[in-house]
Amino acid sequence: DSGVTQTPKHLITATGQRVTLRCSPRSGDLSVYWYQQSLDQGLQFLIQYYNGEERAKGNILERFSAQQFPDLHSELNLSSLELGDSALYFCASSALTGSYEQYFGPGTRLTVT
Amino acid sequence: AQKVTQAQTEISVVEKEDVTLDCVYETRDTTYYLFWYKQPPSGELVFLIRRNSFDEQNEISGRYSWNFQKSTSSFNFTITASQVVDSAVYFCALRARAHSGAGSYQLTFGKGTKLSVIP
Repeated sequence: DSGVTQTPKHLITATGQRVTLRCSPRSGDLSVYWYQQSLDQGLQFLIQYYNGEERAKGNILERFSAQQFPDLHSELNLSSLELGDSALYFCASSALTGSYEQYFGPGTRLTVT
Repeated sequence: AQKVTQAQTEISVVEKEDVTLDCVYETRDTTYYLFWYKQPPSGELVFLIRRNSFDEQNEISGRYSWNFQKSTSSFNFTITASQVVDSAVYFCALRARAHSGAGSYQLTFGKGTKLSVIP
C-alpha cells in the first residue's frame, strides 16, 4: 500500500459526459501528479500540482483540468468524454517538487461507452 | 527531448531462470534520475528503485539487481531465480524537465516490458 488513495476504482460513463476523479496523497506529500495509461499511448504524464498550485503540464487535453485543494487532495476533471478517453488514470505523490520517487495510487479505470 | 526505450515488449521465462530487462534512455540533462516500477496484474504501480546520474554503482536488493552504465545510457534490471510472483509489467522511467513549468520535472516512462514467469 503506497498511502495514496484514489476514488472511484472504476467508472463507466457515456460519451459527452463529465467525470471527476479524486486523489489523496500520502501524508506529508505536497506534490500530486496525474497520469493516463492507455494501451496505445502507454503511461503519459498529464499535470502536476504542488501545494495547491499548478507546477507542470504534460500531454493534458484542454477538456481535462485539475486542481489541488488546501487539504492537498486533488481532483481531475474530464469533460466532453470521448471513447478514446477510456484508460487507467493514476495519481501519484512525492515529498518534493522534483520527480524523486513518486508513489502511485491504485488508479481509476474509466470506461467511456 | 527525453526518451526511454524498453525494446523488449514481452519476455517469458521458466521459473528459477534469470532474466534481464533492458532500458535505454536519452536526455540532454547532466543531472537526472532513473527509476524502475513494477505493475502486477492487479494494476497498481510499485516503486522499485531510484538511481541518480552521479552514482554508477550497481545495486542489489535480494533477487533484484540493477546495472547503470552512463557510457551506454542504459539502466538494466536483472531478476535472479525468477518466481511466478515476478510476473508483471516493468517500467523504466527518467526524471526529465517538464514541457512547461520552469524548474519542474516529470517522469517519462518507457512502454514497459511484460514479464511472464512460467511455473
